[in-house]
Amino acid sequence: QKEVEQDPGPLSVPEGAIVSLNCTYSNSAFQYFMWYRQYSRKGPELLMYTYSSGNKEDGRFTAQVDKSSKYISLFIRDSQPSDSATYLCAMNYGQNFVFGPGTRLSVLP
Amino acid sequence: EAQVTQNPRYLITVTGKKLTVTCSQNMNHEYMSWYRQDPGLGLRQIYYSMNVEVTDKGDVPEGYKVSRKEKRNFPLILESPSPNQTSLYFCASSPGQASRHEQYFGPGTRLTVT
Repeated sequence: QKEVEQDPGPLSVPEGAIVSLNCTYSNSAFQYFMWYRQYSRKGPELLMYTYSSGNKEDGRFTAQVDKSSKYISLFIRDSQPSDSATYLCAMNYGQNFVFGPGTRLSVLP
Repeated sequence: EAQVTQNPRYLITVTGKKLTVTCSQNMNHEYMSWYRQDPGLGLRQIYYSMNVEVTDKGDVPEGYKVSRKEKRNFPLILESPSPNQTSLYFCASSPGQASRHEQYFGPGTRLTVT
């Protein structure tokens, strides 16, 4: 079993839809949970991070962490064509970072 | 502009020919890392550095070396590259150990070893 599982997609949605992106993990030691957005031929860009369980909201983006289920989510409201990118989840404890392989999202105008 | 820069952006080389990929950040960050990104595997950490002269191995350090002589620079050295090191490489920096999870990534270096 991989340490972090993430559906690679691709996921296609119409403009304005609510997008749900998810990751599951196996290591209960993870403390920080991050979401990155990566445009084609670019480096990952940090969108949000959460410490331990709970929700965090930033504009159209909401991150959720459920440590009891070892499940994290990123919701994008009112999705835009400019949101089309690959979304990476990442987790951290100590000096250990584990990234998911990414979900490719296409938002169609 | 606050940024992480990498050079070169693209590199094609042959097996065994030593190469260095440079990484520089202008944000006065203490924490820097190198990652490789391969299809289906996600980013994997190669080496990290918590500050000048302090480096340590990540998950996949074999075949790589790093040095941190100045705070802003963190070069990645492949002394004898092999085809299995063909990958997309990213340098990242964070303000410090306590905020190591807030990583800012460079634009990437695509390396091909033939």
